[in-house]
Amino acid sequence: DAGITQSPRHKVTETGTPVTLRCHQTENHRYMYWYRQDPGHGLRLIHYSYGVKDTDKGEVSDGYSVSRSKTEDFLLTLESATSSQTSVYFCAITKGGVGTEAFFGQGTRLTVV
Amino acid sequence: GENVEQHPSTLSVQEGDSAVIKCTYSDSASNYFPWYKQELGKRPQLIIDIRSNVGEKKDQRIAVTLNKTAKHFSLHITETQPEDSAVYFCAATYNNNDMRFGAGTRLTVKP
Repeated sequence: DAGITQSPRHKVTETGTPVTLRCHQTENHRYMYWYRQDPGHGLRLIHYSYGVKDTDKGEVSDGYSVSRSKTEDFLLTLESATSSQTSVYFCAITKGGVGTEAFFGQGTRLTVV
Repeated sequence: GENVEQHPSTLSVQEGDSAVIKCTYSDSASNYFPWYKQELGKRPQLIIDIRSNVGEKKDQRIAVTLNKTAKHFSLHITETQPEDSAVYFCAATYNNNDMRFGAGTRLTVKP
């Protein structure tokens, strides 16, 4: 599992509230990613990081922000959750950038009611 | 928008038969094409990948073929077994900093 842990594993939150998901890795990998998985869409990249304090937007970044203040932690924040953000969120790491194997965390199922 | 199209969305085969899943991509600069398997309630895991300088790669019962001219690649599973039942995702690098995934194929292998 490449030492990746996501927390929480499940969360139900109300529309309009802020939510932060955490991805923790133990192997000091430089590249970390946040994806969301929805039926009919596969996995879509939200944001990624290529080092401490170095982050960039992915395909579906609107409504999300990220922070990486330490190598081991990559946080995803929904500033004001909406029902369209109900999804399963996966964190991933790669050992050599985007063109190498991705190792995924266990996923976080987020429901916005 | 969609940069990787995957077909079929569902596939049912009899145990022992072969299964083929096809993907097309739009970015001619794509150079890495992985396939992931996701069992129910689990995380996606890489089963095979191919780079743009290779036309075919095989690993036991699994093979991937790549046609860069036509911008499509395929996953072939031979002698399917019930434990091959899962959702399979293809992917392709995009713009050198992103990985675009297909929508997935739910494979069911009937015993």
